[in-house]
Amino acid sequence: QKEVEQNSGPLSVPEGAIASLNCTYSDRGSQSFFWYRQYSGKSPELIMFIYSNGDKEDGRFTAQLNKASQYVSLLIRDSQPSDSATYLCAVTGSSNTGKLIFGQGTTLQVKP
Amino acid sequence: EAGVAQSPRYKIIEKRQSVAFWCNPISGHATLYWYQQILGQGPKLLIQFQNNGVVDDSQLPKDRFSAERLKGVDSTLKIQPAKLEDSAVYLCASSFLPRDQPQHFGDGTRLSIL
Repeated sequence: QKEVEQNSGPLSVPEGAIASLNCTYSDRGSQSFFWYRQYSGKSPELIMFIYSNGDKEDGRFTAQLNKASQYVSLLIRDSQPSDSATYLCAVTGSSNTGKLIFGQGTTLQVKP
Repeated sequence: EAGVAQSPRYKIIEKRQSVAFWCNPISGHATLYWYQQILGQGPKLLIQFQNNGVVDDSQLPKDRFSAERLKGVDSTLKIQPAKLEDSAVYLCASSFLPRDQPQHFGDGTRLSIL
C-alpha cells in the first residue's frame, strides 16, 4: 500500500464546474496536509494546507480533512482552464520531522 | 521576498559522470530539503537539513549521492557517478521551521543522463 494515494486521472471537468480531488494516506499519525499545484515543466506551488479535521476555505479552494478516515480532499469551485494542472497531495509523517510524503498527483483538465 | 534559487536549470551528462546542483533557500529559512521527482511521480525526499545538520537522509543513495550545507544557508547536492535512473528533476525546498510549516519550492534542475 502506498503511503499517500491519489487517482492519477485525468479528471476532466467543464469550465465553471466543481472539481473534486481526493487523497488517502496510510500513516494514522500524520499531522499536516498540503495541496500543491504543478503545471507541466514547473515546480510545485503551494495552494492550501490544513491541520485540523473539517473544512478550510481560501477563495475558490476548499480543503477537507477527515483524520478518522485518513482522507483529505481539495475542491475547486468555478473551475477555470487555468486550473488545468497536476495536483499533488502531501502529508507529513508521524516522525514529526516535517518530511513531506507526496502522492503521485492527479491531473486535472478543465475544458472551456 | 525572493524565492528559493536553484542552478543550473538544466543539465545533460553521460552516465558515470558527476554533476552538482546548488540551492539557496528563502532568507531566514532554517530547514532545507532536496527532493527527486521522476516523470509521472510525486517528489521524493532525498535529504533534509536543519541549519547545517542532517535531519533525514534515509532515502539518499549514499553510494553515489552526497549533500552538504556547510554554513547553514545554501546547499549543494552531488551525484557521482550518475546512472540512467537518476534522470529526474531535482527540487530544493525550504521552510522557516520543519514542523507544520509549508515548504516552498525552487524551479528545480532537470537532469538528463545519456
